[in-house]
Parts: sequence; structure tokens; C-alpha cells
Amino acid sequence: EVQLVESGGGLVQPGGSLRLSCAASGFIFSNYWMNWVRQAPGKGLEWVANIKVDGSEKFYLDSVKGRFTISRDNAKNSLYLQMDSLRDEDTAVYYCTRGGTWRSYYFDYWGQGSLVTVSS
Amino acid sequence: EIVMTQSPDTLSVSPGERVTLSCRASQSFSGNLAWYQQKPGQAPRLLIYDASKRAAGVPARFSGSGSGTEFALTVTSLQSEDFALYYCHYYNDWPPGYSFGQGTKLEIK
Repeated sequence: EVQLVESGGGLVQPGGSLRLSCAASGFIFSNYWMNWVRQAPGKGLEWVANIKVDGSEKFYLDSVKGRFTISRDNAKNSLYLQMDSLRDEDTAVYYCTRGGTWRSYYFDYWGQGSLVTVSS
Repeated sequence: EIVMTQSPDTLSVSPGERVTLSCRASQSFSGNLAWYQQKPGQAPRLLIYDASKRAAGVPARFSGSGSGTEFALTVTSLQSEDFALYYCHYYNDWPPGYSFGQGTKLEIK
């Protein structure tokens, strides 16, 4: 059974940093693109970043470029999102999602989400 | 950037009815479109990908259609568990690019 379990969310002040983790199981992690997708309270879905199977390519939403860094450790079946210079508008539930093998494409599995609250 | 617009924002229907949710794209594309269902307090669940392919375990009452700029999700014989939020999702081949619709809430009439 595919499982994605996020952790690391919490309350942080504007300008602060937070690191999200996603533990994957039930599939060959190193074969899949992985993504972070977020959802602000009461709002819709927004893709944030993704990373190629071997970590060699990464793509970001324009508004997080230079502030967020996606990474993965295939030996530990884990995905990460380092979030720096956080802003109020980054407040959201962050979901770890699985993409495809050749390309990221659609997201067939989602974690339960980790809430990040940016507030003073 | 392709913008996805769903209509209507809210749809009130009765159990057992058939319903069609619409998703319109600002530019035409080949069919890289997915639909997700989200219930309160839960993560989204993939229903449809590549515009018309049902994801594993999705009941046959869910079907996707469309091409170009007009896409639709149809649910025949609505069950109580189908009342939820639905999002359409455009995904570009390369470079990766994504755009979600704003969502359609399906509520019980």
C-alpha cells in the first residue's frame, strides 16, 4: 500500500524557516517524481515544487523561487521541503504527492498534509 | 500560463441524479487533465487522469471527457459519499507546469 506521511509543520514567525519531511513507503520511491502541493485555509490547490527521480532537476512555483528548496533522499525514501523567508501567504496545508516515472504529470497519491502557519 | 476555470462554483443535486461538472482552459491542450475529489479534512483523491482514464479503485459512475479547452466530469447516480469538492488539474508535459481550477462544491439538494 502506497503511503506518504508528512511531518515538520507548525507555527513560525514571518521571515522564519521550517523544514517539511515526507516519508514514503509501499512503492519504489527512487522511480517517481515527487511534488509538494499546498492549500491555504478555505482555498484551492496550488502546486509548489517538484523533483526528478534522481534529484537532478527541480522546479518551483514562481512565488517560492529562491525561498523554498525541494530535495530527496532515495536511500531513506524521503522527500523534503526547506522553507526560508516565510511569509503570511505561505500559510497552508502542505501535501506530499507522487508524480509519474517519466514525467511528473498528475498526482496519484497524496499524504495527509502538514499545516504550516506563518504568523507573528 | 494556462488558467483553468470550473463551473459552477456550487452545484446542488439530489442523490441518484446525474451531474456534470465543467472545466474550461484558457488555451487548448491535448488532454493532460486530471480530476480530484476532496472531502472535508481529507487530502484530495485522484479520480480521472489523461482527461478520461479512471484511476484505480474509482467507481465506474465517474467518467471524464473533453479535449481542447472544454473538459467535464460526469457522475451518474450520485451516492451520498460523492458530495464533496472537485478540482480539475492541468499538467504540462515539459517543462513541468500545473494549474488547478478553483473547485466545484457538490452539495446535497
